Amino acid sequence: ETGVTQTPRHLVMGMTNKKSLKCEQHLGHNAMYWYKQSAKKPLELMFVYNFKEQTENNSVPSRFSPECPNSSHLFLHLHTLQPEDSALYLCASSQDSTDSGNTIYFGEGSWLTVV
Amino acid sequence: QKEVEQNSGPLSVPEGAIASLNCTYSDRVSQSFFWYRQYSGKSPELIMSIYSNGDKEDGRFTAQLNKASQYVSLLIRDSQPSDSATYLCAVLGSNYKLTFGKGTLLTVNP
Repeated sequence: ETGVTQTPRHLVMGMTNKKSLKCEQHLGHNAMYWYKQSAKKPLELMFVYNFKEQTENNSVPSRFSPECPNSSHLFLHLHTLQPEDSALYLCASSQDSTDSGNTIYFGEGSWLTVV
Repeated sequence: QKEVEQNSGPLSVPEGAIASLNCTYSDRVSQSFFWYRQYSGKSPELIMSIYSNGDKEDGRFTAQLNKASQYVSLLIRDSQPSDSATYLCAVLGSNYKLTFGKGTLLTVNP
């Protein structure tokens, strides 16, 4: 139990489907993140929300759409994805994304396969 | 482009030995440094953080930071097979963004 819960853990979707990944943190944090992890590549930051405001969009294609209704919940809406989008999507949270002592805690991840 | 470099390995050590994992970074103004452990098929788990030059010890783990050389390392003493994992170095840069290295795969042989 990491304090950051992601669902679903595994998702297979077609290129024309629309699906969403969900993340919930129980740590009382104010910042939430989406990261993408592909084989043989470093973890890539996608989006950052701090106090529900999006503070970072790391040039992510519009087929990925984040939503943060409150500091505890984060969604990643997926539509018309490509096979190369298949990866492990990690949600994370921290106390405050602008704090120099910021420590980020990850959820277990959602394995996405696009067919 | 802020970069964090790690030797991808694999690094193979016998059980009981010291494993030494190294990391260099490009952002001179970085202040916070982290080591995460990631088992195959699992998410990264924070094992150490270090903020000032020198050594920081936590059980069998020691993190070492040298800001002048832009170098951070992780030593694992008395390595166990359960330490076999990928170790990710992460650096919090001047823009408060956490940049990760590609990770070093460590294998501890019984």
